[in-house]
Amino acid sequence: GDSVTQMEGPVTLSEEAFLTINCTYTATGYPSLFWYVQYPGEGLQLLLKATKADDKGSNKGFEATYRKETTSFHLEKGSVQVSDSAVYFCALSGTNAGKSTFGDGTTLTVKP
Amino acid sequence: DTGVSQNPRHKITKRGQNVTFRCDPISEHNRLYWYRQTLGQGPEFLTYFQNEAQLEKSRLLSDRFSAERPKGSFSTLEIQRTEQGDSAMYLCASSYRGASSGANVLTFGAGSRLTVL
Repeated sequence: GDSVTQMEGPVTLSEEAFLTINCTYTATGYPSLFWYVQYPGEGLQLLLKATKADDKGSNKGFEATYRKETTSFHLEKGSVQVSDSAVYFCALSGTNAGKSTFGDGTTLTVKP
Repeated sequence: DTGVSQNPRHKITKRGQNVTFRCDPISEHNRLYWYRQTLGQGPEFLTYFQNEAQLEKSRLLSDRFSAERPKGSFSTLEIQRTEQGDSAMYLCASSYRGASSGANVLTFGAGSRLTVL
């Protein structure tokens, strides 16, 4: 079945550092790929998405590119802020767009 | 729209009791999902509905779990004869799927936390 593997955390960075959170997936066909974020005390919310190979999703300075050849969707940000401290979940939705499958999440802490 | 609403937010119960959670999705959304999340893990799929039809149920879901969405609007998730291992956050999400929909983006509620003593 479908699965998502995320880089294990926690990740601690200083403000303005470069961020990469790795995500790889296993799925049949052509899934859609997502990053969701959960800020402290809040519910999960969509950060960005990509629906086909070589698509780049972007939002709030975060980017991720759908790489079918490496089955990856790594999350990057050039300069993190304290307000980016949160748990980040990589997810996929299968070709039939039924259920979504999530990774285990990566906790990011950004220190001033 | 107030988003996805879940009630109760917290439930503490004794082992063996039954509990029920309610989810009110975004009104325009025809799909409704239930997930379970434990500490340090990602959301684990339980089941989902399109309108009132239950389209998929996780094979990991015990017979003690049942979900309904009788009129295609709100949904309930009931856990019978609760066990300590059922302690988790139960998340509800909704989405809209139509003939020309793109990616299936989920909107999550804040969750219902269950503690089984």
